[in-house]
Amino acid sequence: GAGVSQSPSNKVTEKGKDVELRCDPISGHTALYWYRQSLGQGLEFLIYFQGNSAPDKSGLPSDRFSAERTGGSVSTLTIQRTQQEDSAVYLCASSLDVSVSPLHFGNGTRLTVT
Amino acid sequence: GENVEQHPSTLSVQEGDSAVIKCTYSDSASNYFPWYKQELGKGPQLIIDIRSNVGEKKDQRIAVTLNKTAKHFSLHITETQPEDSAVYFCAASLNDYKLSFGAGTTVTVRA
Repeated sequence: GAGVSQSPSNKVTEKGKDVELRCDPISGHTALYWYRQSLGQGLEFLIYFQGNSAPDKSGLPSDRFSAERTGGSVSTLTIQRTQQEDSAVYLCASSLDVSVSPLHFGNGTRLTVT
Repeated sequence: GENVEQHPSTLSVQEGDSAVIKCTYSDSASNYFPWYKQELGKGPQLIIDIRSNVGEKKDQRIAVTLNKTAKHFSLHITETQPEDSAVYFCAASLNDYKLSFGAGTTVTVRA
C-alpha cells in the first residue's frame, strides 16, 4: 500500500519567510512523528502526535516551530520567520500506534533557507 | 536524555565480506534498539530491531546483538552485496516514540 507521503519534496525559501511542510501518514496509523536531519547528522526528534494530540513537543527548537494534525491524519509543520540554520531535511514518520510498533518514514522535505 | 554514539562513520568492504557497525547508549533504561538503512534521497527504512529482553536477533544476512551490561549493540551484515551500500543508523528508545539516533555509518560495498 501507499507509504508516508511528504510534500513538497524540496523547498527553497528566503530568510524571514514562513514555510509549511505537509505529511500524509499511512492510512490507519494513529501515531505521527516529525524528525529533522541536518547534513551529515543523525535524526533529531521534534514532536509526535497520538491522534490529534501532541503529548511531547519537547524537540521543537524554538517557538518559531509549530505543528498540527487534523482528523487524525494529515499533519503540517510550520516554521515562521525561517533562519539559515533551519535548513535541513524534515522527515515525517507514522506508526500503527505509539508503542511497540516500528516507525515508517517518508522521503522527507529538503528545506533550504537562503 | 539518551545519547547514542555510532562507529565507524564510514566503512568500505569488499563484496562478500562482512560489515559490523557498533553503537553505545547512555541510559540503561532504554529498551528498544532499531536499525535503519537510508538510501540517497529516501527516508530511513527499518531493517531490524531488538528489545532489551533479547540478546540477539537474526534476519537472513542481517543480525543484531545487544549487550545490556555494557550498553552497546551491533549490526552485522554478512555476505555483503552492492545493494547494501547506504547510510545505516542505530537508535535507542526509552519510551518507543522518541528515538535517539546515532550519527550514521556510510557503508560502501566494493564490487
